[in-house]
Amino acid sequence: DSGVTQTPKHLITATGQRVTLRCSPRSGDLSVYWYQQSLDQGLQFLIQYYNGEERAKGNILERFSAQQFPDLHSELNLSSLELGDSALYFCASSGLGTGIYGYTFGSGTRLTVV
Amino acid sequence: DAKTTQPPSMDCAEGRAANLPCNHSTISGNEYVYWYRQIHSQGPQYIIHGLKNNETNEMASLIITEDRKSSTLILPHATLRDTAVYYCIVRGGDSGYSTLTFGKGTMLLVSP
Repeated sequence: DSGVTQTPKHLITATGQRVTLRCSPRSGDLSVYWYQQSLDQGLQFLIQYYNGEERAKGNILERFSAQQFPDLHSELNLSSLELGDSALYFCASSGLGTGIYGYTFGSGTRLTVV
Repeated sequence: DAKTTQPPSMDCAEGRAANLPCNHSTISGNEYVYWYRQIHSQGPQYIIHGLKNNETNEMASLIITEDRKSSTLILPHATLRDTAVYYCIVRGGDSGYSTLTFGKGTMLLVSP
């Protein structure tokens, strides 16, 4: 157990639907990062939150959004889902002022869009 | 962040040392070298990181050349469970606002 909790582990949904993925960071970590991993794209950085504020954006589609709540958990919302959104979605967290510390990743949510 | 170059795949016999190279010739002075690995479909796992000096922990050793343009991750006694994709990442060691950018990594296959 890495200390980063992602739910659900698996999600199957239809095209056009909306889903919410949840991430609880490791205790004490203020930063949360979301990554998408599809078969042909590798690990793609989506977005970072630090203590409730958006800090960095990567290749995140406009149909996707995220937020980090006061208790530091984060949610990634995916809407108008397409077949190509099928992927593993990982959340990671890191500590305060953590340029020199690594990320801790969760075990991921496998999203299948049918 | 500086880019890195890794071989796409490597093989290693169980019990032998696995030496995974990484080139990062454009690394700048305040950038750290990180190594992560990802066992099939699991979340990436932090292994080790370093700035200038060689580093060792319970998982691996990291050897960084004096000019910092390349590094080698050493798994001293590889086991079958070390079969994974290994990512070498260079990242600024600042306040933590910079993100980790994963490349394609090296697929290490450890065989009996």
